[in-house]
Amino acid sequence: DAEITQSPRHKITETGRQVTLACHQTWNHNNMFWYRQDLGHGLRLIHYSYGVQDTNKGEVSDGYSVSRSNTEDLPLTLESAASSQTSVYFCASSEPVAAGTGELFFGEGSRLTVL
Amino acid sequence: AQSVTQLGSHVSVSEGALVLLRCNYSSSVPPYLFWYVQYPNQGLQLLLKYTSAATLVKGINGFEAEFKKSETSFHLTKPSAHMSDAAEYFCAVILIQGAQKLVFGQGTRLTINP
Repeated sequence: DAEITQSPRHKITETGRQVTLACHQTWNHNNMFWYRQDLGHGLRLIHYSYGVQDTNKGEVSDGYSVSRSNTEDLPLTLESAASSQTSVYFCASSEPVAAGTGELFFGEGSRLTVL
Repeated sequence: AQSVTQLGSHVSVSEGALVLLRCNYSSSVPPYLFWYVQYPNQGLQLLLKYTSAATLVKGINGFEAEFKKSETSFHLTKPSAHMSDAAEYFCAVILIQGAQKLVFGQGTRLTINP
């Protein structure tokens, strides 16, 4: 079965360190997204990609970067981790709306704690 | 730009009672609408979706939602709550044209009282 996997599921790091969260999907979806989930804020979009070599900023992109070198992977990098980036991060993928409904398929999440 | 508002960050109902979770959207054109559910320590999974076909949409676990264009609403209901329905529920909207990003509401935590 197709799936979307995130790693690591849990990560503790220190302020100022670089952290990369991996996301791998086997749906063969062109669209991939990174969200963060915080109490009282729901899910907020960090970055997204509509295909290989395409990346776009979401509403809370400061301090984060992504790269898309193939269809399957969209790693999220925190260049210099800050305590405000302590959160649960979700990766998701979808077909284009024209090919389907734009429904998102989610990974299980990565819980990041920045001390 | 589209946005989603979920009324009530926390809803509590008794087991067997009606569940009603409210969602209103703002969009200049009719969007596609979704309800997702998140159980503790898990990712989000799709409950149901509206994609401009029938306005009453049935989903998994006995949930349904009705798209009301005049009210710009997409409220989620279930006739009889079960303990296993305790979770966080998110309403989301995507425009059919333009940027293909789901915009989520802030979520509603549903508690079921025995």
